Amino acid sequence: QVQLVESGGGVVQPGRSLRLSCAASGFTFSPYAMHWVRQAPGKGLEWAAVISDDGSKKYYADSVKGRFSISRDNSKSTLYLQMNSLRAEDTAVYYCARDQAINSGENAFDIWGQGTMVTVSS
Amino acid sequence: DIQMTQSPSSLSASVGDRVTITCRASQSISNYLNWYQQKPGKAPKLLIYAASSLQSGVPSRFSGSGSGTDYTLTISSLQPEDFATYYCQQSYSSLWTFGQGTNVEIK
Repeated sequence: QVQLVESGGGVVQPGRSLRLSCAASGFTFSPYAMHWVRQAPGKGLEWAAVISDDGSKKYYADSVKGRFSISRDNSKSTLYLQMNSLRAEDTAVYYCARDQAINSGENAFDIWGQGTMVTVSS
Repeated sequence: DIQMTQSPSSLSASVGDRVTITCRASQSISNYLNWYQQKPGKAPKLLIYAASSLQSGVPSRFSGSGSGTDYTLTISSLQPEDFATYYCQQSYSSLWTFGQGTNVEIK
């Protein structure tokens, strides 16, 4: 079935780094833009980053720009989020999500992973 | 960045009630507006995209409308499984943003 599975979360000290992965299966990964969305405990959804289908375009929320880097390997159907200089406020569940639009302009997140928890604490 | 403001932040309703949630953008977003439902401990689920298009598999009691800066999600007859938090999201800008969420509780 169509699914996204995140991994790589855990407990990390402030200032350290962590890399999240999101493995796609059940669909052809390469035509879709992909996103990372996070949700701090008890809080709302916050969009973090997007990468285009071929990886040539990347955009970031101001809160993570310069510290986080999104990338993808279409040969492995996998999305990544490299998180550097982590802060306590980065503590959240991190979701990867598929952008359903392929040349349609009807951008929306139609497939989500189950999420992986990242806790930044000393 | 485009700011999205939902109202109300929470509401209490009974099964069978008609429920309306509003989302206002800080600038015109030309119907690039999506709605999601999230239940505790679960990933969000896409309900409506492009302001008024119903996602496949979503019950027809959910509908979306609006234009410019103001958008609405309506649940025509609230069902027990609809108690959840609802988020709007703009996809007009390359810097996507969500509303703060509306928690729909049982009255």
